[in-house]
Amino acid sequence: EVQLVESGGGLVQPGGSLRLSCAASGFTFSNSWMSWVRQAPGKGLEWVAYIKQDGSEKYYVDSVKGRFTISRDNAKNSLYLQMNSLGAEDTALYYCARGGWYPDVWGQGTLVTVSS
Amino acid sequence: EIVMTQSPATLSVSPGERATLSCGASQSVSSNLAWYQQKPGRAPRLLIYGASTRATGIPARFSGSGSGTEFTLTISSLQSEDFAVYYCQQYNNWPRTFGQGTKVEIK
Repeated sequence: EVQLVESGGGLVQPGGSLRLSCAASGFTFSNSWMSWVRQAPGKGLEWVAYIKQDGSEKYYVDSVKGRFTISRDNAKNSLYLQMNSLGAEDTALYYCARGGWYPDVWGQGTLVTVSS
Repeated sequence: EIVMTQSPATLSVSPGERATLSCGASQSVSSNLAWYQQKPGRAPRLLIYGASTRATGIPARFSGSGSGTEFTLTISSLQSEDFAVYYCQQYNNWPRTFGQGTKVEIK
């Protein structure tokens, strides 16, 4: 079964950091572009970042540039999102998704709450 | 950044009726347009890509059309499981951008 499972979310204070992980299974992870998409509570979807198969290309939405870093470990079939200098505007459910154009597989999401 | 605008915000439809959802782009995205369905508490589900190609396992009652800046998602005969929020998304440019969503509710 093709599956993505996110972890690492939680409550963090403003200015803090979190590292999200996404474990992939059921497909050849190293052949896939991968993305992080987030959804603030009760709001729409925002594409945060995506990364090429070998990690050589990475793209970020302007609102997270310089604060978030997407990475991957193909040997571990895992995708990561390092999030620094977090603010209230980063509070959201973060989805890991397969693909860099129109993701066809999504995880269930991990909730990040930034609050003091 | 390409702004995607969906209309209407909410669509009230009776089961068995046809639903037509619209999506507009602030500049041409060619046919690089996808549609997703999202139910409460669930991840988005890819329905359509390339403006008109159904994703794997998507029923034929879902169809997409359009190119350039104007797109349509049509659900030919609404089933109970189709009541959800629908998002369009362009992948012509970075950043990829989504519309704000259309909620299809039971009339």
